Amino acid sequence: GESVGLHLPTLSVQEGDNSIINCAYSNSASDYFIWYKQESGKGPQFIIDIRSNMDKRQGQRVTVLLNKTVKHLSLQIAATQPGDSAVYFCAEKSGGYNKLIFGAGTRLAVHP
Amino acid sequence: KAGVTQTPRYLIKTRGQQVTLSCSPISGHRSVSWYQQTPGQGLQFLFEYFSETQRNKGNFPGRFSGRQFSNSRSEMNVSTLELGDSALYLCASSLGQPGTAGNTIYFGEGSWLTVV
Repeated sequence: GESVGLHLPTLSVQEGDNSIINCAYSNSASDYFIWYKQESGKGPQFIIDIRSNMDKRQGQRVTVLLNKTVKHLSLQIAATQPGDSAVYFCAEKSGGYNKLIFGAGTRLAVHP
Repeated sequence: KAGVTQTPRYLIKTRGQQVTLSCSPISGHRSVSWYQQTPGQGLQFLFEYFSETQRNKGNFPGRFSGRQFSNSRSEMNVSTLELGDSALYLCASSLGQPGTAGNTIYFGEGSWLTVV
């Protein structure tokens, strides 16, 4: 399949390091946020989500931090592995629908 | 449990033709939404269906349409195709009603459409 993000910002990390991917969201009324991972030729894969009444949520090797004051979201990946190489998108949802507003995405490149 | 299934995975169409893409949501999921993904515009919301009703629509021309069937399966149609419609079309499904807090949304692998 084609690449869907040819000119994305890229975060390069060494295998085993921690990665932090940042995202600024647009709507202060957004009440739910999701991080997705998209590998080349595949659809977005759910990683972790957080509701607006929380400021931190942890999963397996991943942590999402939410700062509503500055409308900022971050994804932390611990002990980054080559399999983590992908494009990462944050998405926000507000109101009574399942419409997601996506960020532009960040490409994570993990080097051995 | 099977994920969101989209067909066809790849297709090539000529300008002016129309195309229909199909989506089967995760079993038990009743909410289906569609997105268009391009290198220039990123991921953009097309429309959302719940219980066979369109609940929300993105900012796309009327050439883009969709529907949902009683079994929650959904189709989207693009008529009078233009070169700019070349994109990855993604379907997503979720369990609860639109607006349910923490309504996790899962995506399929998408349908790659190339218009020549």
